[in-house]
Amino acid sequence: GAGVSQSPSNKVTEKGKDVELRCDPISGHTALYWYRQSLGQGLEFLIYFQGNSAPDKSGLPSDRFSAERTGGSVSTLTIQRTQQEDSAVYLCASSFWDTNVGAFFGQGTRLTVV
Amino acid sequence: SQQGEEDPQALSIQEGENATMNCSYKTSINNLQWYRQNSGRGLVHLILIRSNEREKHSGRLRVTLDTSKKSSSLLITASRAADTASYFCATDDAGNMLTFGGGTRLMVKP
Repeated sequence: GAGVSQSPSNKVTEKGKDVELRCDPISGHTALYWYRQSLGQGLEFLIYFQGNSAPDKSGLPSDRFSAERTGGSVSTLTIQRTQQEDSAVYLCASSFWDTNVGAFFGQGTRLTVV
Repeated sequence: SQQGEEDPQALSIQEGENATMNCSYKTSINNLQWYRQNSGRGLVHLILIRSNEREKHSGRLRVTLDTSKKSSSLLITASRAADTASYFCATDDAGNMLTFGGGTRLMVKP
């Protein structure tokens, strides 16, 4: 596709269940970012991939959060044993390795934990 | 933690007026970028200024960067109701990681 694609666009899950969020970056983009945004707040950095490796995982809030990227393309963010405080919009962005051209964002996944 | 901090957090102006938003950051950067967000979903890249640049223009947008003060400003001239959105600055450190600030919510009244 032409842009960054995220799925699902909305997800409602019960507390304690695991969820998997998917990000399909723009073809050729080696850098991929995951952010979390609570209502009316700024973007909280979660993790950053350069190719398949994650130089910086410092933003993952707890060990319930994990992410992987395969083939330098699709990335999945997994949240285990979801809690109500995990409710937020999860945004994915991708860019060329040289970020001097800016990043492109997907439309996000709105996660609601009930 | 956030690298960039925008000021003000919220701004309300009349159509036709200019809107100025400021961003401060803490560490050395490769470049600074401004993004716009409508309705709390995906962000759109507006403009990028490199660390060796001081000013950049794109249409009605003007961005300045002062690396000695670790600050940047975004000016939107002749604002329109359609400019109503949240605006975020993001800094790219030498590791190519993008860190965002808390954003400025701009309301342009017709």
